[in-house]
Amino acid sequence: QKEVEQDPGPLSVPEGAIVSLNCTYSNSAFQYFMWYRQYSRKGPELLMYTYSSGNKEDGRFTAQVDKSSKYISLFIRDSQPSDSATYLCATMNTGNQFYFGTGTSLTVIP
Amino acid sequence: NAGVTQTPKFQVLKTGQSMTLQCAQDMNHEYMSWYRQDPGMGLRLIHYSVGAGITDQGEVPNGYNVSRSTTEDFPLRLLSAAPSQTSVYFCASRRTGGFQETQYFGPGTRLLVL
Repeated sequence: QKEVEQDPGPLSVPEGAIVSLNCTYSNSAFQYFMWYRQYSRKGPELLMYTYSSGNKEDGRFTAQVDKSSKYISLFIRDSQPSDSATYLCATMNTGNQFYFGTGTSLTVIP
Repeated sequence: NAGVTQTPKFQVLKTGQSMTLQCAQDMNHEYMSWYRQDPGMGLRLIHYSVGAGITDQGEVPNGYNVSRSTTEDFPLRLLSAAPSQTSVYFCASRRTGGFQETQYFGPGTRLLVL
């Protein structure tokens, strides 16, 4: 079983829609969770990070962790064409090793 | 501040050839790592280093060697290339410490092994 599982999509939404991206993880000991955004032919860049359970908001983006169900989510409000990218969820163990999901490809149609 | 740089951008190899993928960072980060990214598999950790002279294996280390003689450089060596090593390779660096330390990725090297 992979440490992090992610629905690969692709996901296509109209501009202005609310987008929900989701991942599950296997190890209940994981406490650090991240979302990366990767544009085509570029390296991933950190979008948001959270620790343990709860929500974290940054502008149009909200990251949510539910440790009881081992579920992590990223919500994008008022989606824009510039949000079109692949989104990768990730977690980190105490030994500084990162585990990434396979990524969800998102297209926001103007 | 160039961040994380990788060379070459693209490489074609024949089966059995060897090569070194270069990675350098100018942020004085202790932690550096190499990933490969394949369709449907996501990013997988090959090797990582928490400082000069210290390296360790990640999830998929077979067929790859690394060394870390300086803080800035972390080259990845393919000893005898195989078609299964066709992939996009990303180098990354971060400060060691808490999870809030951002991991910075390079632009990637696309490798095709024939």
